Amino acid sequence: EIVLTQSPGTVSLSPGERATLSCRASQSVSSNSLAWYQLKPGQAPRLLLYGVSSRVTGIPDRFSGSGSGTDFTLTISRLEPEDFAVYFCLQYGGSPRTFGQGTKVEV
Amino acid sequence: EVQLVESGGGLVQPGGSLRLSCEASGFTFRSHDMHWVRQVSGRGLEWVSGIDTSAHTYYADSMKGRVTISRENAKNSLFLQMDSLRVGDTAVYYCAREPAVPGNWYFDLWGRGTLVTVSS
Repeated sequence: EIVLTQSPGTVSLSPGERATLSCRASQSVSSNSLAWYQLKPGQAPRLLLYGVSSRVTGIPDRFSGSGSGTDFTLTISRLEPEDFAVYFCLQYGGSPRTFGQGTKVEV
Repeated sequence: EVQLVESGGGLVQPGGSLRLSCEASGFTFRSHDMHWVRQVSGRGLEWVSGIDTSAHTYYADSMKGRVTISRENAKNSLFLQMDSLRVGDTAVYYCAREPAVPGNWYFDLWGRGTLVTVSS
């Protein structure tokens, strides 16, 4: 199975700063089948991006995704207070679908 | 409102059983493949099982033989029967939906999850 490694595990930033989150795959992710999710305590995970860079309707454009092959990045251009959360990547090009272990963005 | 609501979690002893339910609303449930995903130790997410619109089922190796996924389209409901539970199965279990368009194998809608605690 494809192992996804996210880094850093935790990043401490302030509102208005830029967040750059990495997701690295143990082998190439086919067809750019990579998604990003936001998770807050007690809430449902929220899909942000799919197909590496396609933003879900309603997701602010400060969220962007890039990358290919084995290296992917989620960028939050200017952190808003509501963006402090845990972020997961998911690869859905291989079976089984696998997730990264998450990056916590904290104040 | 488009949503998924899980129920059925709780405290169970090792070796015990639980049946999780997920009730869907606000969309055409029968048109979507559905899945269970769990979050262990507060961080890692793991796909557990899936069922397609034709009721074909799929399981993670870690839980194969111990869980059974099913759906009842008339009641907009998804189920996960879990048997022979282990301490390591302690997790929040999420119900998740695939988009209706074939070939999009990510999860576009999730519930808030239900906590399963396996402990003596």
